[in-house]
Amino acid sequence: EAQVTQNPRYLITVTGKKLTVTCSQNMNHEYMSWYRQDPGLGLRQIYYSMNVEVTDKGDVPEGYKVSRKEKRNFPLILESPSPNPTSLYFCASRLTGAGDIQYFGAGTRLSVL
Amino acid sequence: AQKVTQAQTEISVVEKEDVTLDCVYETRDTTYYLFWYKQPPSGELVFLIRRNSFDEQNEISGRYSWNFQKSTSSFNFTITASQVVDSAVYFCALTTAEADSGYSTLTFGKGTMLLVSP
Repeated sequence: EAQVTQNPRYLITVTGKKLTVTCSQNMNHEYMSWYRQDPGLGLRQIYYSMNVEVTDKGDVPEGYKVSRKEKRNFPLILESPSPNPTSLYFCASRLTGAGDIQYFGAGTRLSVL
Repeated sequence: AQKVTQAQTEISVVEKEDVTLDCVYETRDTTYYLFWYKQPPSGELVFLIRRNSFDEQNEISGRYSWNFQKSTSSFNFTITASQVVDSAVYFCALTTAEADSGYSTLTFGKGTMLLVSP
């Protein structure tokens, strides 16, 4: 089954603790992306990757790192989470072009104490 | 810069009512793509439809229909005979492709929460 898989689904952490959310897709998509969703703000892009070893900042990259060492994987590193209201993180992938459908993972809900 | 506005933050209807979710977009590009996604209470994002800027045909899929009007920069979504299972947050999104390089960002509106009560 074609899918984008992200783990974990729920994450509780403490302020300042670095953590990683994994993302994997099995559709051989070149483009992958991370978004965060906050109440009242919709979805905003954090980072994206056009292909292996090619990454770039989205609209809200501060406090995050990414890497794309393999085509199927695009992990998101939260360097020092701060106690903001709970955020929902989504990984997404699409084949290549802007018009290609972007498929999303099930989301990771992060709570920072 | 591109922008998507969903002016309706929340809509409540009773089952079997028709409901229209508005989406207005802004872009300077002539080639662009519009999308609708559904986010049910379980949280995942489900793709509903894609439309490119050169295809202004309206589309119907079961109880769902979409009205794309370039003249008013709108891409509205109508649910006919709404059901409780339609309760979700619906997002309209836009991406442009001046050179179809794939570098363009998918810009989302802030979403409209639809609550359908029995």
